Amino acid sequence: DTEVTQTPKHLVMGMTNKKSLKCEQHMGHRAMYWYKQKAKKPPELMFVYSYEKLSINESVPSRFSPECPNSSLLNLHLHALQPEDSALYLCASSPIRLLSYNEQFFGPGTRLTVL
Amino acid sequence: GENVEQHPSTLSVQEGDSAVIKCTYSDSASNYFPWYKQELGKRPQLIIDIRSNVGEKKDQRIAVTLNKTAKHFSLHITETQPEDSAVYFCAASIWDTGRRALTFGSGTRLQVQP
Repeated sequence: DTEVTQTPKHLVMGMTNKKSLKCEQHMGHRAMYWYKQKAKKPPELMFVYSYEKLSINESVPSRFSPECPNSSLLNLHLHALQPEDSALYLCASSPIRLLSYNEQFFGPGTRLTVL
Repeated sequence: GENVEQHPSTLSVQEGDSAVIKCTYSDSASNYFPWYKQELGKRPQLIIDIRSNVGEKKDQRIAVTLNKTAKHFSLHITETQPEDSAVYFCAASIWDTGRRALTFGSGTRLQVQP
């Protein structure tokens, strides 16, 4: 398996809902990322996990809560979102190799609409 | 933190012509520079990357050049085809023991006219 997969593909939720986005990879990558992408904009980094530990949180509001239960899975828990949080949420993964460079591979994204 | 600027924001070329997209970065410690292609509604896909110890890299019709002194890098696409039409993002990162994240440029929408 050489892909990053994400579920669901589309999600519509109200501001009081709680939902989760899921990302999975079976390439043995030990770094995983969440990005947010608005229309006609580049991806913006939200979180980075290295060896299942949160290593970077780009000052993301607490209504977004990441979780990395194991080396293959990355979740993003959503609660009390705002309409401006509507965007494409991209997951990515990369291998961690000492003394080398590590390409990031993106999943297809979850298109989130907050009503 | 790192800041990446990308130009032009849109680029229209005739099929068969060359296309050049340029990026500059601010942090001299950046040492990895990938380019991603994103078609409408799809994921960003890595098309080529360059490391700081290399000045140029080529893969068929795509080439990337890096000038570390001037802190800029460029994507060159030759013999463009309609299927090259997409948004292209450059990115930069510092690869060290702590931070493993990409800073993206603002993107270039390339349109190849048949």
